Amino acid sequence: EDKVVQSPLSLVVHEGDTVTLNCSYEVTNFRSLLWYKQEKKAPTFLFMLTSSGIEKKSGRLSSILDKKELSSILNITATQTGDSAIYLCAARLSGTYKYIFGTGTRLKVLA
Amino acid sequence: DTAVSQTPKYLVTQMGNDKSIKCEQNLGHDTMYWYKQDSKKFLKIMFSYNNKELIINETVPNRFSPKSPDKAHLNLHINSLELGDSAVYFCASSFPGTGTDGYTFGSGTRLTVV
Repeated sequence: EDKVVQSPLSLVVHEGDTVTLNCSYEVTNFRSLLWYKQEKKAPTFLFMLTSSGIEKKSGRLSSILDKKELSSILNITATQTGDSAIYLCAARLSGTYKYIFGTGTRLKVLA
Repeated sequence: DTAVSQTPKYLVTQMGNDKSIKCEQNLGHDTMYWYKQDSKKFLKIMFSYNNKELIINETVPNRFSPKSPDKAHLNLHINSLELGDSAVYFCASSFPGTGTDGYTFGSGTRLTVV
């Protein structure tokens, strides 16, 4: 059965800390891995990763895919209270429109 | 200028009722989805339509029926609502052919069955 597992399930840090969120996947015919940030409403797209070892960066957020380890990490440096959210990762299956979502990591950043 | 809009945002209804949730996207995407998010924030795909054709139909009760009158709309009709149907339902769209792969989500419909 295809599955995506995220860790930790929840995390509490202080402003300025750096955090690393993990996502591992076991899916047939993997195509790409996506990260989303969900605050109160709908998830917003952060990154799409298809190639191993190539870091994607957006401001204080960065992410990288390791196809050998079947995993990805999302790094957030110099965290701010506005980073508090649930971070979801999803694996897209090749040849389909199907995405398998992880359960998310709930991040809380304290002032 | 909402890209993916769902209505209603909140829906409170009694068990046994039939209800519909509407979704529209103005992004020109050719694929639309319905996801159910449970109380633990887990997102699970229910249906996907590509150019009005059903392409993903996960194991959901027959009481759930999607309808896509055109590629910009995907509605979800639920018959004989049950307590376990209470959740947030997200509509999303994408255009896989461009390679961007990213979804655009609607803001969700919080369904409460009492």
